Order: sequence, then structure tokens, then C-alpha cells
Amino acid sequence: AQSVTQLDSHVSVSEGTPVLLRCNYSSSYSPSLFWYVQHPNKGLQLLLKYTSAATLVKGINGFEAEFKKSETSFHLTKPSAHMSDAAEYFCVVFDGASGGSYIPTFGRGTSLIVHP
Amino acid sequence: DGGITQSPKYLFRKEGQNVTLSCEQNLNHDAMYWYRQDPGQGLRLIYYSQIVNDFQKGDIAEGYSVSREKKESFPLTVTSAQKNPTAFYLCASSPRLAGGWEQYFGPGTRLTVT
Repeated sequence: AQSVTQLDSHVSVSEGTPVLLRCNYSSSYSPSLFWYVQHPNKGLQLLLKYTSAATLVKGINGFEAEFKKSETSFHLTKPSAHMSDAAEYFCVVFDGASGGSYIPTFGRGTSLIVHP
Repeated sequence: DGGITQSPKYLFRKEGQNVTLSCEQNLNHDAMYWYRQDPGQGLRLIYYSQIVNDFQKGDIAEGYSVSREKKESFPLTVTSAQKNPTAFYLCASSPRLAGGWEQYFGPGTRLTVT
């Protein structure tokens, strides 16, 4: 079975400081992992995805995430926050590529707040 | 431009009325999904479809119905049996159901029932 836990419901940072959004997963297979971003009253947009290639994945808008199998983590980082990064972020696990569930599992989301 | 469209963006209905939310995609994707989003609860899967004329219940299908008569279209009907229908509804698609594909999301429909 697959599951995902986003360890913080809210993260607050100042503009220009680093961002860390934490995600732990559980999967009986080799999972695919995704981060999506959602701005208020909008749909979700893919930030980046890991599908068993390089463990450090670079995404859009300067975000990146590192797949750590030993820690079952896929934390999202950005060196310097921008006001436009304020949004809801979702971590998603999916082990359907390797024989598990056909349906992705979403975390509950982390709200990123950026202060000027 | 390829993408997913949902209409309308905002929808208001009286209690006891059925309402249908539209979802169309021109990405030639086989799989389509409907999610419900409530504050602090993330996304919850209502129904999904991997191919035309086939669909499966998700985690919270009670009070909802869908159809998949065309590859491009996956409308969701919120029936009067749904006890708490006010929510933000998101439609998504992916090339296939299995295989680790990412999902592409529409802009959402906010439904308010009073």
C-alpha cells in the first residue's frame, strides 16, 4: 500500500530565505513521486517528478527535491523564496508504474506563507 | 493549446437540485479523474475512468455520478443525495491510468449549495 505524509500543514518564511517543505512516503514498490503547487482558487500545476532516474530532481521556478530511499523522504526545497511562491503544495506518491495502485495518493498539503 | 477546461468556474444551486459539472480535455489522454477539495483535507478522489464507457468509484463516490461517453469528456453530476456538496471540484487527466504518469488539472469549479 502507498501513503504520503506532509509533515507541516503551514510553513512561514521571509522573502529571500530558503524554503523546505517536508514529505515522507510509504510504498511497497518503487514509487513515482510528484510535487504540485496550487495557487488560490486554481487547479494544480506540476512542479517536478521523480520516476527512478536521478535522485535530485529539478523543477520549475527554482524548486528541487531529493529522493532519499533510506529515509523514505522527498522534501521540496528552494534556495530563495519569492512572494509569488505563496501557495499550497501537495506531495503525491504513485507506485502504479511498478505494480502497485493505479491511483496516486495525495498528501494533505502544506501552505507556504511568504512574508515581505 | 492543449489542456483541460472546466465550466463553469462558479456554480450556485439550491438544496435538492442535481447539478452537472463539465470537464473536457484535448490532450488525447485515456484516464480522467474527479476530485473534491475541502479546506485542510487535500484532494479526495470521487470517480476515475481509464477508458471510454468505463469508470470506477473512488473514495467518496456516494451522492455523485459520472459518464464517459467520449474520450474528451468526463462530466460529474452532484445529486441531491450528496449531503454536503459545497466544495471545490477538480478534474484531471493523465495519458494512462497506470505507469507513473503525472496528472494534468483543470482550473476547478467552486460549487455552492444553499
